[in-house]
Amino acid sequence: EDQVTQSPEALRLQEGESSSLNCSYTVSGLRGLFWYRQDPGKGPEFLFTLYSAGEEKEKERLKATLTKKESFLHITAPKPEDSATYLCAVQAGSSNTGKLIFGQGTTLQVKP
Amino acid sequence: GAVVSQHPSWVICKSGTSVKIECRSLDFQATTMFWYRQFPKKSLMLMATSNEGSKATYEQGVEKDKFLINHASLTLSTLTVTSAHPEDSSFYICSAPSPGLTERSYFGPGTRLTVL
Repeated sequence: EDQVTQSPEALRLQEGESSSLNCSYTVSGLRGLFWYRQDPGKGPEFLFTLYSAGEEKEKERLKATLTKKESFLHITAPKPEDSATYLCAVQAGSSNTGKLIFGQGTTLQVKP
Repeated sequence: GAVVSQHPSWVICKSGTSVKIECRSLDFQATTMFWYRQFPKKSLMLMATSNEGSKATYEQGVEKDKFLINHASLTLSTLTVTSAHPEDSSFYICSAPSPGLTERSYFGPGTRLTVL
């Protein structure tokens, strides 16, 4: 069974304190791994797609990496506006319709 | 970038009534759309895949007769919660795969349903 597990469930950081969020997955053939940001009461906002082990992508203070078993979302020198829930999702190789399986998310709070 | 809209953004209804939620792709066509449900502080749970021109595909445990899905056109999918009860109260979100890139999905802003 395809499964995605994120840790930690919640993370509190001081502004400027770098850290990483983890996403572990088991899937029958990875078609893609996705990171989304979700603010309270809103839909998920796309951040990254990773396709193969060793791939890395960056956007401002965020950097996503991928191995064969997990992905990390590194946050460098976070700011309060980075506070949100970060969702990881995978698309299995058997799916060609865009169906995603989500992890439970990591809620990040960055204090000034 | 591609935009997906939902209407209404929130709705309050009485127990036993039906509620329709619309999901529109605003600047692209989507033969497939997805409906998710999200409980407070929980992740997105896929409910069903909406297919233009054919029946929706429901995930295990999701009642087809309760959550009616109609993919009316290439830009519109609707989710109707029939005979709603308080346990149906939730945040409903739709998504549509990016044109030409099924690996990337655009999400709507969500609809907050509260059943009294």
